[in-house]
Amino acid sequence: KNEVEQSPQNLTAQEGEFITINCSYSVGISALHWLQQHPGGGIVSLFMLSSGKKKHGRLIATINIQEKHSSLHITASHPRDSAVYICAVRYEDTGNQFYFGTGTSLTVIP
Amino acid sequence: DTAVSQTPKYLVTQMGNDKSIKCEQNLGHDTMYWYKQDSKKFLKIMFSYNNKELIINETVPNRFSPKSPDKAHLNLHINSLELGDSAVYFCASSLRQGFGYTFGSGTRLTVV
Repeated sequence: KNEVEQSPQNLTAQEGEFITINCSYSVGISALHWLQQHPGGGIVSLFMLSSGKKKHGRLIATINIQEKHSSLHITASHPRDSAVYICAVRYEDTGNQFYFGTGTSLTVIP
Repeated sequence: DTAVSQTPKYLVTQMGNDKSIKCEQNLGHDTMYWYKQDSKKFLKIMFSYNNKELIINETVPNRFSPKSPDKAHLNLHINSLELGDSAVYFCASSLRQGFGYTFGSGTRLTVV
């Protein structure tokens, strides 16, 4: 029930490419969180959303509640975007706890 | 100015020892968490405290004991360390339970 699946697990892209990372989950959620973990280990919150779409700079996050799916897009990718991107969901019936996916490791090559 | 700070950043210790990791947040958040990130980079909740009260205690060996002296601090004490405890431990806080997270920079624990 608490599975959060991300795809792909690993992704290598050329600088400038448009990147999509996917997150799917199995039951109803009240919120979804995208996080970025830098190569040095630090974790940064990117977006939290419960419907629709959010944009910040070159990052766009979308969520489709009916299909239980979210995507994180990076436009005009840059080597500094290289990081692990983690999706986390808050299920409707398990209180306010977030459950984390296993992450997508992105490498952007100059 | 660090929002969520953990100390130490690195900890190498022998099996059987007892160690503590400290966490402090200056964001005025009500809720604090400890997460363990394993070798496969999977983040798993260990504990959550809201206003100094334990609200989440996942299946974690009782060698792990969290202590929250006030809502700005959540420390993690580990007794009788085992090799399998080696991981990166992240502290996090949120304004209230389940609403956005700010993470610390992590503590890499290595048990030898």
